[in-house]
Amino acid sequence: SAVISQKPSRDICQRGTSLTIQCQVDSQVTMMFWYRQQPGQSLTLIATANQGSEATYESGFVIDKFPISRPNLTFSTLTVSNMSPEDSSIYLCSVTKGYEQYFGPGTRLTVT
Amino acid sequence: DQQVKQNSPSLSVQEGRISILNCDYTNSMFDYFLWYKKYPAEGPTFLISISSIKDKNEDGRFTVFLNKSAKHLSLHIVPSQPGDSAVYFCAASGLGSARQLTFGSGTQLTVLP
Repeated sequence: SAVISQKPSRDICQRGTSLTIQCQVDSQVTMMFWYRQQPGQSLTLIATANQGSEATYESGFVIDKFPISRPNLTFSTLTVSNMSPEDSSIYLCSVTKGYEQYFGPGTRLTVT
Repeated sequence: DQQVKQNSPSLSVQEGRISILNCDYTNSMFDYFLWYKKYPAEGPTFLISISSIKDKNEDGRFTVFLNKSAKHLSLHIVPSQPGDSAVYFCAASGLGSARQLTFGSGTQLTVLP
């Protein structure tokens, strides 16, 4: 398995501001993923972050809104830019070990 | 179009009895299936998985069954315990080289003491 930590665990932000979420893994991994879980919804993949290359975004998500960094094999950041109340969600990072994926504890974001 | 579906948003079971959670998928390209448990304010916890070349995988109280012809999988928990009360998500992978997961909508399991 993998031990994953995220910072911050939660935040309340004002409309129009940006928040950067950090994800740290206890071992080197090739792929890191960022998901969003909106209230009462399932998990939706935002993007796949591969070290040394640009992140790959899923349909409906764009780099200008959710820029991602992947400076090394144990760390990644996701920025939620120009936030609106619709961005209020839990944001989760995950990594793949073999065929399984393991998740961090999530960052609960509330935009007012 | 939802490719992974969990049609029961909630399930209540008496402690000690069997819990059966169901999941259907539409894309035959999925080749690996996973179940996660999620408590409020926590990330999903990996429970058990199954490859499409198998029809059953067992780990302690948890067993996952896969019926490829019906594109259906189920998670059996026996005996159910109050600590099993959580939201259960099924997920599938195999569509992309990064093995991204496609999640179902989740089933809230409540185990009554």
